Amino acid sequence: DAKTTQPPSMDCAEGRAANLPCNHSTISGNEYVYWYRQIHSQGPQYIIHGLKNNETNEMASLIITEDRKSSTLILPHATLRDTAVYYCIVRVAGGSQGNLIFGKGTKLSVKP
Amino acid sequence: GAVVSQHPSRVICKSGTSVKIECRSLDFQATTMFWYRQFPKQSLMLMATSNEGSKATYEQGVEKDKFLINHASLTLSTLTVTSAHPEDSSFYICSARGAGNYEQYFGPGTRLTVT
Repeated sequence: DAKTTQPPSMDCAEGRAANLPCNHSTISGNEYVYWYRQIHSQGPQYIIHGLKNNETNEMASLIITEDRKSSTLILPHATLRDTAVYYCIVRVAGGSQGNLIFGKGTKLSVKP
Repeated sequence: GAVVSQHPSRVICKSGTSVKIECRSLDFQATTMFWYRQFPKQSLMLMATSNEGSKATYEQGVEKDKFLINHASLTLSTLTVTSAHPEDSSFYICSARGAGNYEQYFGPGTRLTVT
């Protein structure tokens, strides 16, 4: 079973920030938080990952709480092309335990 | 990022026939490859993991004699769906990981329809 909990769906207005929450209360010290997204009928696309510190790249920002039990993915200026299912996954880095196991994700709908 | 391709992107076959799907890592050597299956409106389900030159490890409930996986080279893995039936119709996605690299890169997926 997936070790994360995400809301099944969210809406966001185009141009506004999309904040996608994820709970991972049983995360272990050596597990990272990964975010992927899947646009309809495509393979998953890597977005960002982090261990403890907040991370930012050209796609998004990842905010991890100090106790690491939850995180938020932020798309700063959502566009219609960001409509997708977003998956939050916790995994160790490397080895068979590092396989990506997908939960149900959050279906983000960006509306004009 | 690294590129993973799949071929074909779509395939329609008749019930009882076998279908082979190829997964290639285009710009890196994939020591480990993964095969996922996704039914409509559901999440990805890991089917099996294969290391180059070794037999694949199948997840519980996945029939190894029905879903044959070959990972004979560092850039190619194949999934063969044998004696396909309509219930095997699904979106099959491969993923690849290189040695010493903990990141998994996904292919674009193959839509299989069994009539």
